[in-house]
Amino acid sequence: GAVVSQHPSRVICKSGTSVKIECRSLDFQATTMFWYRQFPKQSLMLMATSNEGSKATYEQGVEKDKFLINHASLTLSTLTVTSAHPEDSSFYICSARDLGIETQYFGPGTRLLVL
Amino acid sequence: GDSVTQMEGPVTLSEEAFLTINCTYTATGYPSLFWYVQYPGEGLQLLLKATKADDKGSNKGFEATYRKETTSFHLEKGSVQVSDSAVYFCALSTAGKSTFGDGTTLTVKP
Repeated sequence: GAVVSQHPSRVICKSGTSVKIECRSLDFQATTMFWYRQFPKQSLMLMATSNEGSKATYEQGVEKDKFLINHASLTLSTLTVTSAHPEDSSFYICSARDLGIETQYFGPGTRLLVL
Repeated sequence: GDSVTQMEGPVTLSEEAFLTINCTYTATGYPSLFWYVQYPGEGLQLLLKATKADDKGSNKGFEATYRKETTSFHLEKGSVQVSDSAVYFCALSTAGKSTFGDGTTLTVKP
C-alpha cells in the first residue's frame, strides 16, 4: 500500500516552454502533498506544501509564479514549471501523506532537462 | 528550527560488514523519526520509522532506535550486501513538516 506515482519520469524540453509534472497517490487519500527539488548528490529541498483545495505554501526563495502547484483532488497534485530555463533542470520529487499521519510516501521522481 | 545531522559519507564497506550511519536531530516537540533509502535515479523509499522514544524501527535487516536522551536515531545493519548500496537519508517529522539530513552514500563492495 501507500504508493505514489509521478508522470513523466523524464522530460526534455526547450528553454521557454512549460512543463507539467503529475503526482498521484494510488491507494490512499493524500490530504497533503509536498514538492521537492534535488540537485545531484544533495539532499531534498522542500519547494512547497499543498493541501487539497487550498493554495500551496511555498518555501522562502521559491518563486510561486514560476512553479505553479495545483492540488485539485485528494489523489492528484501537479507542478508546472513555467517558462523553463536550463537552471530549472533538476530532479523533482513529490511526496504525499494522509491526514494525521506523519509518514510521507514518495514518488519515483521526475528528471527535467531544459535545453 | 528543526535540523538533522547525518554522518558524512561516502561510506565504503565490504560485503557482510557491519554498518552504522549516525543521525542526530534537534527539534521542538516530539518528532517522528525516519530513515529513507534512495537508489540511483529513483525517489525515496521509506526504510523504517519510529514515532516515540525507545521505539525501534526495523526492516530488511536494518534497525534504528529512537533515543530521546541522546537525540539520536542511528541506522545499523549487521551484514550488508552489495544491493544495499544507495543513499540513506535520516529525517524527522513534526507538525506535518519533514526535515531531512544531507544523505549518506553507502557503497558495498563484493
